[in-house]
Amino acid sequence: GAVVSQHPSWVICKSGTSVKIECRSLDFQATTMFWYRQFPKQSLMLMATSNEGSKATYEQGVEKDKFLINHASLTLSTLTVTSAHPEDSSFYICSARTRQMTKLFFGSGTQLSVL
Amino acid sequence: SQQGEEDPQALSIQEGENATMNCSYKTSINNLQWYRQNSGRGLVHLILIRSNEREKHSGRLRVTLDTSKKSSSLLITASRAADTASYFCAGSNDYKLSFGAGTTVTVRA
Repeated sequence: GAVVSQHPSWVICKSGTSVKIECRSLDFQATTMFWYRQFPKQSLMLMATSNEGSKATYEQGVEKDKFLINHASLTLSTLTVTSAHPEDSSFYICSARTRQMTKLFFGSGTQLSVL
Repeated sequence: SQQGEEDPQALSIQEGENATMNCSYKTSINNLQWYRQNSGRGLVHLILIRSNEREKHSGRLRVTLDTSKKSSSLLITASRAADTASYFCAGSNDYKLSFGAGTTVTVRA
């Protein structure tokens, strides 16, 4: 099956710093990538949809300036959490698909802890 | 936004028993998918059932879909300790998936 690599797996940062998370499709070209946020024992909340070469579409309530998403190539999307605060601590997961795919392929997630 | 609700929230069974979990969704869908998540990991696609299908099998998995009730069920037969995970349903409308709250399944050896 298709492989999506997400990096880093975990990151600890100080409040006020920015953190970048990368999501790569290793063996297919991802026309669309999704970014989710997940709190402990809860479901995945879609943050934004990213299409290659265009601006990301953010879900209601997600701050665009806080969570910067870039999808510059068909194999890479990045999520940057700017000026991170403790309330941004969470598990972030990306997923990817091509136009032909009906199912999603997920990265392994990034646990962000902001001190 | 979150699409559906799953029930039960948690399920504990003995190895070899069957595990059944249910999912309800709110809006119309093209297909419904089930995913599995091991603790602290990403999700893995298990099975997809289209809106014009009523039942589908894949190995030890059996999925049903009732579009009139906007509900689906996932049955795992002859469970194993390795099936311990959280299971999520996701309704798909066009390309966007909306995930349910998930069922945490614990299989005791």
